[in-house]
Amino acid sequence: EPEVTQTPSHQVTQMGQEVILRCVPISNHLYFYWYRQILGQKVEFLVSFYNNEISEKSEIFDDQFSVERPDGSNFTLKIRSTKLEDSAMYFCASKTSSTDTQYFGPGTRLTVL
Amino acid sequence: GQQLNQSPQSMFIQEGEDVSMNCTSSSIFNTWLWYKQDPGEGPVLLIALYKAGELTSNGRLTAQFGITRKDSFLNISASIPSDVGIYFCAGRYQGAQKLVFGQGTRLTINP
Repeated sequence: EPEVTQTPSHQVTQMGQEVILRCVPISNHLYFYWYRQILGQKVEFLVSFYNNEISEKSEIFDDQFSVERPDGSNFTLKIRSTKLEDSAMYFCASKTSSTDTQYFGPGTRLTVL
Repeated sequence: GQQLNQSPQSMFIQEGEDVSMNCTSSSIFNTWLWYKQDPGEGPVLLIALYKAGELTSNGRLTAQFGITRKDSFLNISASIPSDVGIYFCAGRYQGAQKLVFGQGTRLTINP
């Protein structure tokens, strides 16, 4: 069964550094998302991406964040100048155009020291 | 923003018992989804609901999309140890791309 995959599974970085989190959505999906989950809390929406542009973003998704689909299979989240409070699990999700059901990847645990 | 209130926050039950949890919202949702999350993993879809009043089953799991479109429940019958985890409701409201998540229900089962 097709799955969303994410790399790396765990990223440790120093405060102020840039990180890029990578996702490979399910191959026939056209809508892509990033969510984050701070330890012990609920899943929060960051951004949605369709047709090579951002279609919706939350207040969390400020100028520090950017997304890109650099080729036909990858979808990336870049966090510039990471802060301690960026430490969280980051989940990528994707869906087709015919359903609201979003399928989530296993996540990347980001730890900012 | 839109909020989902999920209850209970946690449940401690005996193996074999039935479980019920629910989510409510002050706003109308077009879609309700139920996910299960194991520690260190991503949310895994359990059931998707698209129409008000819809009742859908997936094995021992049953979920319903409330008639008012402002609530949903998930029932698990005859719980087994692998049901342990955190269950999240999530919904999409009109005009939004994103899913809004509830706070989660942590299920613990005593064998």
